[in-house]
Amino acid sequence: GEDVEQSLFLSVREGDSSVINCTYTDSSSTYLYWYKQEPGAGLQLLTYIFSNMDMKQDQRLTVLLNKKDKHLSLRIADTQTGDSAIYFCAERALRGSYIPTFGRGTSLIVHP
Amino acid sequence: DTGVSQDPRHKITKRGQNVTFRCDPISEHNRLYWYRQTLGQGPEFLTYFQNEAQLEKSRLLSDRFSAERPKGSFSTLEIQRTEQGDSAMYLCASSLEAGSTGELFFGEGSRLTVL
Repeated sequence: GEDVEQSLFLSVREGDSSVINCTYTDSSSTYLYWYKQEPGAGLQLLTYIFSNMDMKQDQRLTVLLNKKDKHLSLRIADTQTGDSAIYFCAERALRGSYIPTFGRGTSLIVHP
Repeated sequence: DTGVSQDPRHKITKRGQNVTFRCDPISEHNRLYWYRQTLGQGPEFLTYFQNEAQLEKSRLLSDRFSAERPKGSFSTLEIQRTEQGDSAMYLCASSLEAGSTGELFFGEGSRLTVL
């Protein structure tokens, strides 16, 4: 969706950290999400952050939210080959009747 | 398994034929969504239901697309007179009401190929 933008590809070496970035346009966003899609599967929620938070950490995942710049990032520490997938940023905003709007997805490739 | 299930997983049809996809949401979820995903794109919202009421359908791609959720449980998405441009993955998702975190639970999708 044009309201949520992500870079399309990221390649990292196993064991390194991955940082996937996202920008959104709607300042009324309440929740922002990261979903993961593995080949042939549906999307699965990885983590989310409420708009009054700046950071959320969940095991290897760290989400940073900069509301001023409307920028969201997902950091995956100690990236593993099993993390290879497409990662979608999504926002839920008042303007969109609280229906989640997704970005195009970032394809993360983890190589040995 | 109590996840979201979709049927069929794959459908190949000839241009001009009608197709119908079914979605069974998680039983306690009252919201049900349909999205379309084409190659290299994120899910594109089509329509959603709160219980049996279809609250947003203006984003359906054309009047050839229609969706129902007659008893507030399973839903169907029908595409009439299919065109090659309809080839895509059709995703169903369900969630609790808007007052929650809004997490969507997705099915594995129904892949449509129009020849």
